[in-house]
Amino acid sequence: GQQVMQIPQYQHVQEGEDFTTYCNSSTTLSNIQWYKQRPGGHPVFLIQLVKSGEVKKQKRLTFQFGEAKKNSSLHITATQTTDVGTYFCANVGGSNDYKLSFGAGTTVTVRA
Amino acid sequence: DGGITQSPKYLFRKEGQNVTLSCEQNLNHDAMYWYRQDPGQGLRLIYYSQIVNDFQKGDIAEGYSVSREKKESFPLTVTSAQKNPTAFYLCASSISLIGASWFGYTFGSGTRLTVV
Repeated sequence: GQQVMQIPQYQHVQEGEDFTTYCNSSTTLSNIQWYKQRPGGHPVFLIQLVKSGEVKKQKRLTFQFGEAKKNSSLHITATQTTDVGTYFCANVGGSNDYKLSFGAGTTVTVRA
Repeated sequence: DGGITQSPKYLFRKEGQNVTLSCEQNLNHDAMYWYRQDPGQGLRLIYYSQIVNDFQKGDIAEGYSVSREKKESFPLTVTSAQKNPTAFYLCASSISLIGASWFGYTFGSGTRLTVV
């Protein structure tokens, strides 16, 4: 599948602050999915973005798909300790390849 | 509640031994997957299956084998040919291979394999 790059690899955030993590591709993506994995846990599906420029919100989390469909971002406002974990983006491969390809993830730690 | 059950949660084996990891789902999903997770490397696909009695190699299939005799079950065998088997293994399922692009994957809680 098409490779997606996630930056930064690690994000250390003060509780209450905002931050953004990015998922980038050199090619146009058909869609982007985001997953969260808590420490010691397993990935959990958060959301899917399909349309160019699409923005979706889940409480303090805002997900965006770029206009060119080559990148996506996850913005978290007022970070809480419950936001700790690794956030993965994943995309479906090229035509006739429906398997998901995962980025390396952004691992978030929160300072109380 | 529907979900995916992986067992055991922790597994220790001696080098040179084959070991089988269990994955059972009651979600009535057609597609199932095995991923390996190493620190800082994300999730890498080992094998996947679209339907019973059919499975395909993923990106890192060498040293692994699978079977899909029942819709609910997709066990993974880590053979002695796998050079670096110590890792966190995750099983996942989706409504179908194509459906994964709309509804995503459901993951099991994983098996942490340590080979000594």
